[in-house]
Amino acid sequence: EDQVTQSPEALRLQEGESSSLNCSYTVSGLRGLFWYRQDPGKGPEFLFTLYSAGEEKEKERLKATLTKKESFLHITAPKPEDSATYLCAVGRDDKIIFGKGTRLHILP
Amino acid sequence: KAGVTQTPRYLIKTRGQQVTLSCSPISGHRSVSWYQQTPGQGLQFLFEYFSETQRNKGNFPGRFSGRQFSNSRSEMNVSTLELGDSALYLCASSLLGNEQYFGPGTRLTVT
Repeated sequence: EDQVTQSPEALRLQEGESSSLNCSYTVSGLRGLFWYRQDPGKGPEFLFTLYSAGEEKEKERLKATLTKKESFLHITAPKPEDSATYLCAVGRDDKIIFGKGTRLHILP
Repeated sequence: KAGVTQTPRYLIKTRGQQVTLSCSPISGHRSVSWYQQTPGQGLQFLFEYFSETQRNKGNFPGRFSGRQFSNSRSEMNVSTLELGDSALYLCASSLLGNEQYFGPGTRLTVT
């Protein structure tokens, strides 16, 4: 069964304390892995798409990487405004499957 | 470029009623997908429309239906509402069905 699992469920960091979020997946016919950020009461905001193992994408303090079985979202020197839920999703031919997300809280 | 818009933003309905939600995609995007988001289940795929045709469908009962118009605007309908249908309903548009851009959602409460 196709599945997307994110860990940890929640993470509290001090401002400036770097860390990584994990997204592991089992899916047949992968046509892309996506990262989104979601703030409370809002729709998810698109961050990155990764298509093949070894690929990396960066945006400000965020860097996403992809292997054959998992993806990491690395957060370098985070700030309080990086607090949000980060969602990972994998694309198949017929739909996109979302993980349940990691709730990230950055303490000032 | 204007983003995805959804109306209404908030809705309160009574069990047994029906509801229609509307979504206007980003200009030029022909694919529109709908999702249900709840705290326990996360984001669950409902269906996808492309050029007025339902292209894919998730595992939801037939009470959930949708359609897409020639201008790519989409509506979803839920009939015979149940308490468990209370959720945030999100619409997402994309150019080719890959990278999706979400609207703010419609918060539906069923009492």
